[in-house]
Amino acid sequence: ETGVTQTPRHLVMGMTNKKSLKCEQHLGHNAMYWYKQSAKKPLELMFVYNFKEQTENNSVPSRFSPECPNSSHLFLHLHTLQPEDSALYLCASSQDSSYNEQFFGPGTRLTVL
Amino acid sequence: DAKTTQPNSMESNEEEPVHLPCNHSTISGTDYIHWYRQLPSQGPEYVIHGLTSNVNNRMASLAIAEDRKSSTLILHRATLRDAAVYYCILRDVSETSGSRLTFGEGTQLTVNP
Repeated sequence: ETGVTQTPRHLVMGMTNKKSLKCEQHLGHNAMYWYKQSAKKPLELMFVYNFKEQTENNSVPSRFSPECPNSSHLFLHLHTLQPEDSALYLCASSQDSSYNEQFFGPGTRLTVL
Repeated sequence: DAKTTQPNSMESNEEEPVHLPCNHSTISGTDYIHWYRQLPSQGPEYVIHGLTSNVNNRMASLAIAEDRKSSTLILHRATLRDAAVYYCILRDVSETSGSRLTFGEGTQLTVNP
């Protein structure tokens, strides 16, 4: 596998479910990001991790909980979501958080019923 | 983050050059100009970035106005695979935490065969 991969690609969950999104990068990068892309809205940065440390939380509700166990893996744990949380969730990575070029994964299309 | 203004949509013919404009009249001296694009059903993809001088790479050229209040992304020969949403983004290089890319609405480029 090369680049940034995300699983699952599609997820449907109820409001009471708990699920996790997984991102893996095979680029040797040290910074990883979660973005949210809702229908007809621009991409929004959610979280930034640099060398496994969270350096940015863009006022994201606590029902979204990120985890970065190592520089290659990033998770987004979901619980008690709302229908308005339905969106495309994109993971990205870069050499480090000051580096200009970010590499994005294909995203997970999340639907909350 | 300084704001950018782009046309909502543009059309081009295959094999012809495309000039995608971006206005950023409030740009500061430490803002880099980035371009990303997002093909249908994919995550965003880095295209090019620059600070003051014009830049060229294998994908495109970036022409930056002398006063840096506007820039133009140039695709020298458009192909059908270039049909995407193109985002012009300013990033402050003085930021020490995180690598915030603030995406706007972008320009939807349609390439006609």
